[in-house]
Amino acid sequence: QMQLVQSGAEVKKPGASVKVSCKASGYTFTGYYIHWVRQAPGQGLEWMGWINPNSGGTNYAQKFQGRVTMTRDTSISTAYMEFNRLRFDDTAVYYCARSGIEYYSDYWGQGTLVTVSS
Amino acid sequence: SYELTQPPSVSVSPGQTATITCAGDALSKQYAYWYQEKPGQAPILVMYKDNKRPSGIPERFSGSSSGTTVTLTISGVQAEDEADYYCQTADRSGSAVVFGGGTKLTVL
Repeated sequence: QMQLVQSGAEVKKPGASVKVSCKASGYTFTGYYIHWVRQAPGQGLEWMGWINPNSGGTNYAQKFQGRVTMTRDTSISTAYMEFNRLRFDDTAVYYCARSGIEYYSDYWGQGTLVTVSS
Repeated sequence: SYELTQPPSVSVSPGQTATITCAGDALSKQYAYWYQEKPGQAPILVMYKDNKRPSGIPERFSGSSSGTTVTLTISGVQAEDEADYYCQTADRSGSAVVFGGGTKLTVL
């Protein structure tokens, strides 16, 4: 059974960093991209970037370049998204999602709420 | 930056047909994909490659494409279809993902 299971909710102060994990099971981890998508309260979906778990190659949305780093550990089929210099408006649910080469996501993680609060 | 434009809201009565549009220049060259999102839940893919329905998605969901606009149609809308719907495509280079702003479907 195909699953993406994300790490739990986080509360961070402005300026801090957060690292969210996404553990894959039920399929070949290196055969699909992992995308990260966020959704601020009451807002729409916002794509942050992808990582190719096979090569480690990444592609970040221009808006997040310099603040986001996506990595993976193939030995445990887990992808990570580290987000730096957090601001209040980074409060959102962060999702990981799987895609093939055509970049549409057929499976999503359950989401991780990141709250930035002083 | 590249954009996809959706109407903020669509309202229909049960049993009627709902149409949700998504407009953007790259749609003339790139496929569109549609997701359904209900409160507190992760998005679900309901249409891929403009008009392909994933396994498990009811037949009342259909998709079409014309030029720079794609349309998600829900025939015989049911109360359970009330949700936010997002279109998605890749940018012209095909390397980045773009989402529309989302459409709230209300079943009256």
